[in-house]
Amino acid sequence: DARVTQTPRHKVTEMGQEVTMRCQPILGHNTVFWYRQTMMQGLELLAYFRNRAPLDDSGMPKDRFSAEMPDATLATLKIQPSEPRDSAVYFCASGPRTDNEQFFGPGTRLTVL
Amino acid sequence: AQSVSQHNHHVILSEAASLELGCNYSYGGTVNLFWYVQYPGQHLQLLLKYFSGDPLVKGIKGFEAEFIKSKFSFNLRKPSVQWSDTAEYFCAVTSNSGYALNFGKGTSLLVTP
Repeated sequence: DARVTQTPRHKVTEMGQEVTMRCQPILGHNTVFWYRQTMMQGLELLAYFRNRAPLDDSGMPKDRFSAEMPDATLATLKIQPSEPRDSAVYFCASGPRTDNEQFFGPGTRLTVL
Repeated sequence: AQSVSQHNHHVILSEAASLELGCNYSYGGTVNLFWYVQYPGQHLQLLLKYFSGDPLVKGIKGFEAEFIKSKFSFNLRKPSVQWSDTAEYFCAVTSNSGYALNFGKGTSLLVTP
């Protein structure tokens, strides 16, 4: 049963610290997405990749957020420096080449104090 | 601007009651439509999707949705809800040319015994 995995599942950090979240997409999927979920804004797209190339990161604050895919099995989302307003659940999702359906990981719950 | 609206933010039903959750979208061109469910503390799971063909789509767990193009709607229905249907429900849309999901704000459903 192929699944998207994310680490860590929970992260508590202090303002100003660097945070790195990792995602392993389903093997064979060629699109990877990062979403952020908050009570106020709901689910927002931060960035997405196709064949490891970034296609859209317009939803991401560029001064502090960065997203990369070092290889086809790993996507990373980094926040430096983190701020309390970054507290949210960050979901990674991946999708197959031939379909628009996306499969979501369990999320990383980030709390910035 | 492209948008997805879910009109019911909180719904409370008794077991065996019928359910209908509204979803309207504002998009130009061809769209792909989805309903995702998020059980408490869990990640998003796909309930059903519409790409083309029969506008009445059947999904998992007895859910169905009807795409009405003239009304730009994709309402979710279930004839008889169960306590285990308590969850957050998200409508999402992509344009045919892109893969990023645009989510509605979600509807929180509570089913009481």
